[in-house]
Amino acid sequence: SQELEQSPQSLIVQEGKNLTINCTSSKTLYGLYWYKQKYGEGLIFLMMLQKGGEEKSHEKITAKLDEKKQQSSLHITASQPSHAGIYLCGADEYSGNTPLVFGKGTRLSVIA
Amino acid sequence: NAGVTQTPKFQVLKTGQSMTLQCAQDMNHEYMSWYRQDPGMGLRLIHYSVGAGITDQGEVPNGYNVSRSTTEDFPLRLLSAAPSQTSVYFCASRLASKGTEAFFGQGTRLTVV
Repeated sequence: SQELEQSPQSLIVQEGKNLTINCTSSKTLYGLYWYKQKYGEGLIFLMMLQKGGEEKSHEKITAKLDEKKQQSSLHITASQPSHAGIYLCGADEYSGNTPLVFGKGTRLSVIA
Repeated sequence: NAGVTQTPKFQVLKTGQSMTLQCAQDMNHEYMSWYRQDPGMGLRLIHYSVGAGITDQGEVPNGYNVSRSTTEDFPLRLLSAAPSQTSVYFCASRLASKGTEAFFGQGTRLTVV
């Protein structure tokens, strides 16, 4: 079955700094999803990537999927306290109808 | 629009008690699923459903039952609660099996003492 490895597990950055979170799959991805979770709350959908080489941006967050569709990165520019939370990548498998498989998450703290 | 609604938000159970976590969605989604989230473990799939009357097991199904009698509702039953089931539970729904975002409820924080 599909496995997703996220790195780093946790990250502390100073406000205004840029950062990158990575998600690596053991198999070729049908679709890659990024979610954000604020502490104690549900998951909020950020972006979905399906095509090799695809890149999407929303406000100061950019997500990319590599050409081989096995690795994705999430880049935050000029981090703010509102970016703090847990970022999770999820993926569709090519075969079957199983729900999204998720990585273990990256916990981001932004300090002033 | 409510999206995915989970109840209760918090629950404390004694070992051996049973309970049902409720999940309802109003988006007419066929695909629904239950995950549990534990520190350092990410989201792990418990059970899922691809439509009314159809359910299947995920990665960690032991100790849990589900049923899907309507498109809207997908309850999760704990048969005999154990401390190992202390976790945060999330219900999710999506329009299709692939290529669409999953919508999540706010979660149920369950403690088994």
